[in-house]
Amino acid sequence: NAGVMQNPRHLVRRRGQEARLRCSPMKGHSHVYWYRQLPEEGLKFMVYLQKENIIDESGMPKERFSAEFPKEGPSILRIQQVVRGDSAAYFCASSPRQAGDTQYFGPGTRLTVL
Amino acid sequence: DQQVKQNSPSLSVQEGRISILNCDYTNSMFDYFLWYKKYPAEGPTFLISISSIKDKNEDGRFTVFLNKSAKHLSLHIVPSQPGDSAVYFCAATGGTGGTSYGKLTFGQGTILTVHP
Repeated sequence: NAGVMQNPRHLVRRRGQEARLRCSPMKGHSHVYWYRQLPEEGLKFMVYLQKENIIDESGMPKERFSAEFPKEGPSILRIQQVVRGDSAAYFCASSPRQAGDTQYFGPGTRLTVL
Repeated sequence: DQQVKQNSPSLSVQEGRISILNCDYTNSMFDYFLWYKKYPAEGPTFLISISSIKDKNEDGRFTVFLNKSAKHLSLHIVPSQPGDSAVYFCAATGGTGGTSYGKLTFGQGTILTVHP
């Protein structure tokens, strides 16, 4: 499968725990984007990364959330000390060359905070 | 501030007829627009896009129309098929500087149901 891979597909955490969401972009894609979809809402942009660089994090909450895209390995979205309001579907997308290219989405990780 | 709006939460169409999904935007800096289709528990699937230098783009049964003066775009699906039943999102991007193009702004989505 040459598509965008995300794991885990489902993640359950208790309040105060940490959540780590992983995203492997499509082969040949060097741009990664994270979006969040709350129930009954559209997707909201969180962060845009290239290898080892955060390009635009204007949609990231100021606290508890961080993202990285290391030189080797998948992109990671990390949520510390999760709260019930973090329960959502988190989607990763990738694009090949530059930010203006079409973004292709992964299947998402559904985070449930108990 | 909802910069991209899909004012119809749902649309029901008979198989074989035309489906028209609408989208309005407010940010005049947007110059690239995309439509995605989404099934439950799956990620959005790219359908078709249009640049602001065009007013129409076709791909098979799907056509997107852009009216820049009205800040309005629409997706036409003809003929509609039951397999087209899904949530359709429009998205927009653009601005000054390359980094702005990384951020897609989505509408709330329209649930399309195509009846056999």
